[in-house]
Order: sequence, then C-alpha cells, then structure tokens
Amino acid sequence: DSGVTQTPKHLITATGQRVTLRCSPRSGDLSVYWYQQSLDQGLQFLIQYYNGEERAKGNILERFSAQQFPDLHSELNLSSLELGDSALYFCASSLGVVATEAFFGQGTRLTVV
Amino acid sequence: QKEVEQDPGPLSVPEGAIVSLNCTYSNSAFQYFMWYRQYSRKGPELLMYTYSSGNKEDGRFTAQVDKSSKYISLFIRDSQPSDSATYLCAMSSPNFGNEKLTFGTGTRLTIIP
Repeated sequence: DSGVTQTPKHLITATGQRVTLRCSPRSGDLSVYWYQQSLDQGLQFLIQYYNGEERAKGNILERFSAQQFPDLHSELNLSSLELGDSALYFCASSLGVVATEAFFGQGTRLTVV
Repeated sequence: QKEVEQDPGPLSVPEGAIVSLNCTYSNSAFQYFMWYRQYSRKGPELLMYTYSSGNKEDGRFTAQVDKSSKYISLFIRDSQPSDSATYLCAMSSPNFGNEKLTFGTGTRLTIIP
C-alpha cells in the first residue's frame, strides 16, 4: 500500500459528461501529480500542485482542470468527455516540490462510452 | 526527440537470469532518478531512487547512474517470474518546470519459468 488513495477505482460514463476524480496523498506529502495512461501508452504528465498552488502543467486539455484543497487532497475534473479520454488516471504524491520518491495510487480507470 | 528514451522491449529472459534495463536522457538538468515497476493496469510501484552517479543496491536490484553519459540502468539478479512487469525509468530536476517526474515509455519484461 503506497498510502496514496484514489477514488473511484472505476468509472463508466457517456460522451459529453463531466466526472471528478479524487486523490488523497500520503500523510505529510505536499505535492500531488496527475498522470494519464492510455492503453499501452506511457505515463503522460497532466498537472502538479504543491501545497495548494499549481506548480507545473503538462499537456492538459482545456476541458480538464484540477485543484488541491487546504487538506491537500486533490481533484481532477474532466468535462465534455470524449471517447479518447478513456484511460487510467493516476495520482502521485511526494514530500517536497521536487518529485523524488513519489508514490502512486492505484488509479482510476475511466471508460467513456 | 524525447527527453527520456527507453527501449520498449518486450524482453523475455529465463528464470534466474540477470536482467539489464536501460534509459538515456537528454536534459542535463535531471538530478534525481527512479525506477518503477508496474503490473498490468496497476499503479507504478517505486523500486529504486538515487541522486548521484554510481551504484545503489537493494536486494536483487541495483540501480546505476552515469550522469556524464546521461545513462541509467537497473539490474535484476536471480530474476523471478514475479518480476514480470513493465519497468519505467523516471527522473526529475530541481529546476522550476522540471520538478515533476518525466518517464520513459517503459520496458515490458517477462521472466520465463
């Protein structure tokens, strides 16, 4: 158990809908990272938050947004969903602003139908 | 050119063999290096973390970093069928904008009993 909790584990939704993925980082970790992994693809960086502030952005679509709350949990919001958004979404956390020894959750498997 | 290059494999070796996995990188700002193991559709699991050139050993695993050549390796001794997974190298930098993990594409490894 990495200590990073993601909910829900699975999500099936229709095109055009909006979903929210949730991540609770390991106790004490201030950074949260979101990654997308499509079938047989590598891990694509979406966004990083550090202590409540957005720190870095990757190739995150405008339809996607995220935030980190005062209790340090984070949410990733995906809207106007398309079939191509079907993927595994992982959250990771690390103690400091630099990703060393980052730990991953078990992911949320999103299926858009 | 990708910042981190990793041979995707697949790589198949007999049980008990020594496995060598490698990554090269182009961004000299990378200072921290990690290896993750990912079982099918599960969250990546941190195996090794190192920040200096040289070798680091943990049980059957040895991580090797050569910053002058921008080359990192993971060696697995006495490989077991349970080592069958995808292995991902990852790296990060203390420089603003590169603090997140940048991953290689992963090498799929199968250990044949």
